[in-house]
Order: sequence, then C-alpha cells, then structure tokens
Amino acid sequence: NAGVMQNPRHLVRRRGQEARLRCSPMKGHSHVYWYRQLPEEGLKFMVYLQKENIIDESGMPKERFSAEFPKEGPSILRIQQVVRGDSAAYFCASSPGEDTQYFGPGTRLTVL
Amino acid sequence: GDSVTQMEGPVTLSEEAFLTINCTYTATGYPSLFWYVQYPGEGLQLLLKATKADDKGSNKGFEATYRKETTSFHLEKGSVQVSDSAVYFCARAYGGSQGNLIFGKGTKLSVKP
Repeated sequence: NAGVMQNPRHLVRRRGQEARLRCSPMKGHSHVYWYRQLPEEGLKFMVYLQKENIIDESGMPKERFSAEFPKEGPSILRIQQVVRGDSAAYFCASSPGEDTQYFGPGTRLTVL
Repeated sequence: GDSVTQMEGPVTLSEEAFLTINCTYTATGYPSLFWYVQYPGEGLQLLLKATKADDKGSNKGFEATYRKETTSFHLEKGSVQVSDSAVYFCARAYGGSQGNLIFGKGTKLSVKP
C-alpha cells in the first residue's frame, strides 16, 4: 500500500504566478488534510476535505488560496498570485476516517 | 484556546543517553495525542499515539503515556542513537475522533556519537 504521494516535491514560482500542489491519499482514505510549515515552526492546519466536499477551511487564508478533492484524481491546493510569504513546505495528510493521519513527503514552495 | 506546548530545543545528547521531551496540551475533553518525527528534508512520520487517558503509546523504543491529571504526553527513550536525530512534534486531535491536528512547535534532537 503506497503512502501519501505529493507532487511536485519542489516548486519554484515567481511573484504573481500560480502554484498548484497535488496530493494523492493512501488507498482507501477518503479524508485529506493540508498543512503549512514555515521555517523553524510547527505545522499549521489549513483545510480538511472529503471527496468533493470541504469540511473545514478555517485555517485557509481568505484570499488567493483554494483547495479541492474531486471524485476522481488527487486533491489540489491552489495558490494564486503567489507572494514571498507563501514560501513554505506544504504537507498533505490522509486518513480513513479515524483520527490517525498519515503524511506525505511535502512540497517545498519557493517564491522568488 | 486549544494548544500544544513542547519543550524548546535544540536538545543535544550523547549516544545511549536518556531522552525526555516534554509536551503538555490544553483541551476540553480527552483528545487523541500523537508524536510525529520529521527527519531532515522529509515529511512527518507517525511515531506513536494514545487515544485515551492512561494509554501508553510505544514504538522503536520510544514511549509516551497519556496523563490526564497533568495534561501531558511526554516522549521518552531509554537509550538514544545517532539515527534518532530529527525534529519531534507533539500533536493533539482537534475535535473528537477526527479533524485537523494541532501541533507543537517541534523539538530538534541531535545525538552525537
């Protein structure tokens, strides 16, 4: 059973461009969570999704950030018009509906 | 509000030394508690967990006991190895049995040979 997959592992964008981060949950997991980790800090919750539904987006910035988890395909975290402050590691986790979350390797976004 | 507080690092130990990383939480009720480990350049790996009071989670020589009296979940290992060098994160479940996790800031451990 493959683990949580994220791609790309590293993403470089210039200010104003769009960033798309992908997450494929573990097989059988229908719950996906996105977290952001700033340098030297812990992870901060962003959004929690189930198939085709956003359950909790209380940690998402109000502008420029969006997330989806379609019926088919990976979950996508989309950041429009990136700024330097968006540079961080973005981690996806999945769970089968229980409380244990399994994390992917992360996408490290660098905004130039 | 709900939070997780970890002892600040970095922690530097010699090989075979005893390790304790303190973690306390605030919560209404009894959330599940976790320790995750992050090796350099990698994602988080679940190290151990406890789902109710007095439970002891254990894995790879690490242990942590869910103490509701002191709202703590301290991580311990009797004899650390160089390969244990990593950042350790304490976390609690936010709401009931599922939902987002609330993380501590992490404690960096360096083990010297």
